[in-house]
Amino acid sequence: SQTIHQWPATLVQPVGSPLSLECTVEGTSNPNLYWYRQAAGRGLQLLFYSVGIGQISSEVPQNLSASRPQDRQFILSSKKLLLSDSGFYLCAWRPGTYEQYFGPGTRLTVT
Amino acid sequence: QKEVEQDPGPLSVPEGAIVSLNCTYSNSAFQYFMWYRQYSRKGPELLMYTYSSGNKEDGRFTAQVDKSSKYISLFIRDSQPSDSATYLCAMAGAQKLVFGQGTRLTINP
Repeated sequence: SQTIHQWPATLVQPVGSPLSLECTVEGTSNPNLYWYRQAAGRGLQLLFYSVGIGQISSEVPQNLSASRPQDRQFILSSKKLLLSDSGFYLCAWRPGTYEQYFGPGTRLTVT
Repeated sequence: QKEVEQDPGPLSVPEGAIVSLNCTYSNSAFQYFMWYRQYSRKGPELLMYTYSSGNKEDGRFTAQVDKSSKYISLFIRDSQPSDSATYLCAMAGAQKLVFGQGTRLTINP
């Protein structure tokens, strides 16, 4: 069966510090991968998606970036965090059909 | 106008009640519809997935799609306290899903 992992689970970082969040999927190959952010009490905002290694589509202009160095690995990064980057970051994968499956999430607090 | 509209609630009902959660959408290109359940501080969990008009049942849950009215619903029968969560509707468009804002539901024992 397929499993999606995210780490770390929680993170507290000062403004201006770098960020690296990692997502890996097991039990499947060549999945579509997605990064979302969910602010408190808000809906899901799609940040990036990838249909293959090295292929990244950005949905919103921001100081975040994403990379897919391996088939089942998706990384979300920032060089300098802003207070507004605080939120719940979710990685999701999609098999050949339309539904998506989410990971456990990373709760980021920028102080 | 948002592509997907969902009443954020909160919705509070007694245990055993029938719950109705709803979303409307504006893009007629949406053909696949999903409901997710999200517990506090957890990732969303896929609950139901359907692509045709009509009803789909899974245990106490029924998903209903009316493409002519651009309206989808999720019904929960015999609601339990463990059903307390935020419910998000989602609709498939090309490579992406478009989500509603989510409805926070509380089932009171």
